[in-house]
Amino acid sequence: GQQLNQSPQSMFIQEGEDVSMNCTSSSIFNTWLWYKQDPGEGPVLLIALYKAGELTSNGRLTAQFGITRKDSFLNISASIPSDVGIYFCAGPPFKNQAGTALIFGKGTTLSVSS
Amino acid sequence: DVKVTQSSRYLVKRTGEKVFLECVQDMDHENMFWYRQDPGLGLRLIYFSYDVKMKEKGDIPEGYSVSREKKERFSLILESASTNQTSMYLCASREGHLETQYFGPGTRLLVL
Repeated sequence: GQQLNQSPQSMFIQEGEDVSMNCTSSSIFNTWLWYKQDPGEGPVLLIALYKAGELTSNGRLTAQFGITRKDSFLNISASIPSDVGIYFCAGPPFKNQAGTALIFGKGTTLSVSS
Repeated sequence: DVKVTQSSRYLVKRTGEKVFLECVQDMDHENMFWYRQDPGLGLRLIYFSYDVKMKEKGDIPEGYSVSREKKERFSLILESASTNQTSMYLCASREGHLETQYFGPGTRLLVL
């Protein structure tokens, strides 16, 4: 079945550094979603991408939908301690039927030291 | 803002008990989902529903059932809880024509 490969698995950075993580698939996706999950909480949607090549920002976060439709990346600029958490990419399977669920990457765990 | 609420943040149950996890969304979304999240395994789909009284099995439905009697409410039922069902359970909802899912805060279930 379709899988999303997310990398890196974890990152340890200093406050103020920029962060980049990516997600790749062996098959085409029509939508890419990026979520953040704080410890003990549910995932919160950060950015949704709907078109190949699309570049979208949300504050210090920027995400791009790869032109091949098989990848996406998320950048965080000038990281702060509250950026700590797990970041997930997700997308609907190809030939998605109404109501079918998302496929999720395994997540990138971000640690920020001040 | 979309709001998805789950009835409990933490639950402790005994093996063999029947467990009900409730999820409510306030945005009139057609689709609702139940996932479980375990370290190293990510999010796995248990069941989903695309309409009232409609349900579909996800990737790991064994040991679970669901109920959707009203559009805003989707319940996950553990018929006879087992220790391997100790996990974080996440509910999500989605509008019919978009892919974006909105998650609740999660229920951390411990089965002893």
